[in-house]
Amino acid sequence: KNQVEQSPQSLIILEGKNCTLQCNYTVSPFSNLRWYKQDTGRGPVSLTIMTFSENTKSNGRYTATLDADTKQSSLHITASQLSDSASYICVVSKAAGNKLTFGGGTRVLVKP
Amino acid sequence: EPEVTQTPSHQVTQMGQEVILRCVPISNHLYFYWYRQILGQKVEFLVSFYNNEISEKSEIFDDQFSVERPDGSNFTLKIRSTKLEDSAMYFCASLPASGVYEQYFGPGTRLTVT
Repeated sequence: KNQVEQSPQSLIILEGKNCTLQCNYTVSPFSNLRWYKQDTGRGPVSLTIMTFSENTKSNGRYTATLDADTKQSSLHITASQLSDSASYICVVSKAAGNKLTFGGGTRVLVKP
Repeated sequence: EPEVTQTPSHQVTQMGQEVILRCVPISNHLYFYWYRQILGQKVEFLVSFYNNEISEKSEIFDDQFSVERPDGSNFTLKIRSTKLEDSAMYFCASLPASGVYEQYFGPGTRLTVT
């Protein structure tokens, strides 16, 4: 079954600290992996998109990694800010149709 | 920056009633999607639409659901006879072309079925 699993489910970090979120997937065939940020009650906003040939991609303080062999990805947030408080969702797209399979998300709370 | 818009932001309806959720995708985008997110759960794919027809749908998208693009700009999701379990956030998304492009999501419509 095509699935995307994320860990941890939630985490609390202090402002200015770094954190890393994990994603494992079984979606096949694989086209690309995306990380989205979703504020409560809002639509997801894309942070990064990576194909199987890309190992890392950055967007400001967000850096995503991908290991297509082990089907794992991570999202690293550097020097967290209060505005980083949100759910971070790992999403995998199959090779055709651009249908997205979503993970359950990691809820991040940044405290001052 | 262009964005996907959705109306209404919140819809309350009684069980058994029909609802139509509206979306205006980004101009010149070719692929359109509906997703839903039940409170506290994952975002789930409902349906994709391209070239005026459904290209893929999930098992959630049964005969009670339909989509159409009536006028070349709006993209609608109709639920014919709502059930309590249809209560969720419904997100519309659009994509400029097939391939590794960003799917742009709308802000969502919160549907509450009472």
